[in-house]
Amino acid sequence: NAGVTQTPKFRILKIGQSMTLQCTQDMNHNYMYWYRQDPGMGLKLIYYSVGAGITDKGEVPNGYNVSRSTTEDFPLRLELAAPSQTSVYFCASSLSGTRSPQFFGPGTRLTVL
Amino acid sequence: DAKTTQPNSMESNEEEPVHLPCNHSTISGTDYIHWYRQLPSQGPEYVIHGLTSNVNNRMASLAIAEDRKSSTLILHRATLRDAAVYYCSRAPAGNQFYFGTGTSLTVIP
Repeated sequence: NAGVTQTPKFRILKIGQSMTLQCTQDMNHNYMYWYRQDPGMGLKLIYYSVGAGITDKGEVPNGYNVSRSTTEDFPLRLELAAPSQTSVYFCASSLSGTRSPQFFGPGTRLTVL
Repeated sequence: DAKTTQPNSMESNEEEPVHLPCNHSTISGTDYIHWYRQLPSQGPEYVIHGLTSNVNNRMASLAIAEDRKSSTLILHRATLRDAAVYYCSRAPAGNQFYFGTGTSLTVIP
């Protein structure tokens, strides 16, 4: 049982490039989340999903897109990278939303230059 | 979340209890309260959560004020491995979690 896995661990992008951050969970959780964490700050929710085919915006969705075609996978897409998107990105999952614990992945550290 | 406030830092001596406070003055009746902790360069780790009643698990206890506008995470005997940033999260019934800015706990040997 690997829990929540994220790839890549590190990435450097140039301004205007695109990339997809991958997230997979093997706990059969319905809910999945993407957060960003800026240095010395707390977590901000980007997007979340309550099940395959259903996604919704969080606090800071601008500049990102998501899709959820399977229960296991929840990729995050950056279309036109900007320096303001330099951050650490965490994926998380939970069985039944806010009524149950969230389990986090190890994170992806992204730098946009 | 500007509505969830925590002290920036706290210190505790090893093997003594630690009480980490969180204010969530605008909490509604159906909002859950979650606590997570994060070690450097790692993802956050679930600690405990609750709705109205105090909660205990193997890691910690959660004391929720009667009016629910504040809560306290209690580590019964701090160890060096408990040194981390602790985040309180207000979680409205449904789907989203709103995190505070966290309390950095230093444990003194």
